[in-house]
Amino acid sequence: QSALTQPASVSGSPGQSITISCTGTSSDVGAYNYVSWYQQNPGKAPKLLIYEVSNRPSGVPDRFSGSKSGNTASLTISGLQAEDEADYYCTSRTTIVTYVFGTGTKVTVL
Amino acid sequence: QVQLVQSGAEVKKPGASVKVSCKASGYTFSIYFMHWVRQAPGERLEWMGWLNPGNGNTKFSQNFQGRVTLTRDTSATTAYMELTSLTSEDTAVYYCARGSGTSWFDLWGQGTLVSVSS
Repeated sequence: QSALTQPASVSGSPGQSITISCTGTSSDVGAYNYVSWYQQNPGKAPKLLIYEVSNRPSGVPDRFSGSKSGNTASLTISGLQAEDEADYYCTSRTTIVTYVFGTGTKVTVL
Repeated sequence: QVQLVQSGAEVKKPGASVKVSCKASGYTFSIYFMHWVRQAPGERLEWMGWLNPGNGNTKFSQNFQGRVTLTRDTSATTAYMELTSLTSEDTAVYYCARGSGTSWFDLWGQGTLVSVSS
């Protein structure tokens, strides 16, 4: 199972919006709405941001939003803040009930 | 409180095996799948496999098939991941993560660093 493809890095100024893409195949991202997103700070465990493409767990700010079209899912951070500087990973359940993570994206706040 | 607490760091020689534990507390252990994810230094997250603590069923990434064993002790609410035939490429932080709903990981352990070196 190949990793989902994410851009290596994305940057933006405070207050701007950025979007991170996550491209898979019809056997994973495109198969179901089973995409989730995680934020990881250095030396820490990942934290759930978005589940089932576009749902936010309680406690996650509404500036984080998710969407999907075909085999590509996206995470948008609106009103970028300094504290959003971190690594971001998508993951998808596959049609054979395994999971695959994305290659990861480093977000830099300029 | 609801948490996953993993065992401490390990140093192993090439060819050895390692067993990492993940103690769950604050929720009903048997009704949530337990996943294992690893992250080599400076690298991406990599999903390894899942365990259904209710019945012991497992499923693995083909990257680890035959080398990883997932087990549990329901009375101790603890899940275990054993990885055999270690090489330097297995040096990584290993996480347990609770599977929730259809497809997401809502609770993570703190991670266990496994270092493989001769």
